[in-house]
Amino acid sequence: NAGVTQTPKFQVLKTGQSMTLQCAQDMNHEYMSWYRQDPGMGLRLIHYSVGAGITDQGEVPNGYNVSRSTTEDFPLRLLSAAPSQTSVYFCASRPDRGGSPLHFGNGTRLTVT
Amino acid sequence: AQSVTQLDSQVPVFEEAPVELRCNYSSSVSVYLFWYVQYPNQGLQLLLKYLSGSTLVESINGFEAEFNKSQTSFHLRKPSVHISDTAEYFCAVSELGSSNTGKLIFGQGTTLQVKP
Repeated sequence: NAGVTQTPKFQVLKTGQSMTLQCAQDMNHEYMSWYRQDPGMGLRLIHYSVGAGITDQGEVPNGYNVSRSTTEDFPLRLLSAAPSQTSVYFCASRPDRGGSPLHFGNGTRLTVT
Repeated sequence: AQSVTQLDSQVPVFEEAPVELRCNYSSSVSVYLFWYVQYPNQGLQLLLKYLSGSTLVESINGFEAEFNKSQTSFHLRKPSVHISDTAEYFCAVSELGSSNTGKLIFGQGTTLQVKP
C-alpha cells in the first residue's frame, strides 16, 4: 500500500523554468492538497481539491497551477519558477472533508537559483 | 477564515520534565483540531485530534491536548518527555458547517528540543 507518492524527491531549477511536481494516492481519497513548508512559516496551503474536476486556491496560490483530472493524481505546476518558490513541498490527501486526518507524502525539496 | 497561532517557535526542555506546546485558533464556526509531528527529514504524522465529545484527547505515546472553546485553544502537553520526542509539532484547524471546504490550516510550528 503506497499511500501518497510524490516525485521527484529533489529538484533544482533556474529562474524562469517550469516544472510539474507529481502527486499520486492509491487510497481513493476525495480530498487532496498541496502545502509548502518554509522555516518559521509552518505549512501553508497552496491549492486543494475536493474531488476530480474540482480545485480551489489556498493561502498562497500565486505562481502555481493545479488540475485534478482523476481521483488519484493531483499535479502541481510551476509556470515560471522564482527564487521565492524555493521550499519543501508536501502533497496530502484524506478520505473526505470531515475529521479524517491528512496522509502526507514524503515531500519534494525544490531549489530555484 | 480560520487561522492558527502557535505561541512558541522553540521550546527547550530537559528529559523527563513536563512540557506544554501552546496553540490558539481563530474561527467563527465550529472546528476540528489536530496536532501533527514531524521528525527530522520526514513527513508529517498525526499525533492526535479533537472532533467532538470529551475535550481531553490523548495519543498513544503519552501526549494529550485539551480543547478549550472559550479560550479558543488546543494546547499540547506531556508530563514527562523523552529524547525521542525531539521534533517539530504543528497545530492545525479545519472548519465545519457551511464553511467546510475541507481545508486544513496549519500553525507556524513549534520545535521541541529535549536535552539529556
